[in-house]
Amino acid sequence: QKEVEQNSGPLSVPEGAIASLNCTYSDRGSQSFFWYRQYSGKSPELIMSIYSNGDKEDGRFTAQLNKASQYVSLLIRDSQPSDSATYLCAVNGGGSNYKLTFGKGTLLTVNP
Amino acid sequence: NAGVTQTPKFQVLKTGQSMTLQCAQDMNHNSMYWYRQDPGMGLRLIYYSASEGTTDKGEVPNGYNVSRLNKREFSLRLESAAPSQTSVYFCATTTDGQSNQPQHFGDGTRLSIL
Repeated sequence: QKEVEQNSGPLSVPEGAIASLNCTYSDRGSQSFFWYRQYSGKSPELIMSIYSNGDKEDGRFTAQLNKASQYVSLLIRDSQPSDSATYLCAVNGGGSNYKLTFGKGTLLTVNP
Repeated sequence: NAGVTQTPKFQVLKTGQSMTLQCAQDMNHNSMYWYRQDPGMGLRLIYYSASEGTTDKGEVPNGYNVSRLNKREFSLRLESAAPSQTSVYFCATTTDGQSNQPQHFGDGTRLSIL
């Protein structure tokens, strides 16, 4: 059973701080990793994809992947109240595996 | 460009009634998925279709059936609704499930079964 684990939170940070969201996964063969943001009552929205070890930056967001440690993280710099949402980590095993495995999500609250 | 469109957005059913949730995409994607999302349970895969003409069970298929009508459309049917099927249902698509590309979600259908 492939598993993706996230701290459920809530994670509370002040406005302007760095929010750090973490995710671990069990399948060593996993090849692609995604972060989705989900506002309350809305659908998941893709914010980052990462495929190789290291950091990938997109605006205020940085995804970090360490395949040896089976760990992927998302950093949000200069956090804004509009970043308050649940963040879902998703992992794809690749190859003939057509399915994404999702973590249960971390609730982030950014306080003004 | 609508992306992934789900209908209806809201529905209330009585126990034992049947209904079909519709999903249509204009992204020319091959792979389509149905998930349910319940508080504390995360997203759970019900069924998926790797390509037109194929469907496979996911993690929680019991009580559901699917039809991949054509490349664009993938429907989810509840034959005899039960209160345990009260949930938010999401359809998602991706270029090709083997390509390591992300999935894109519709807006969801909020289903209540009394």
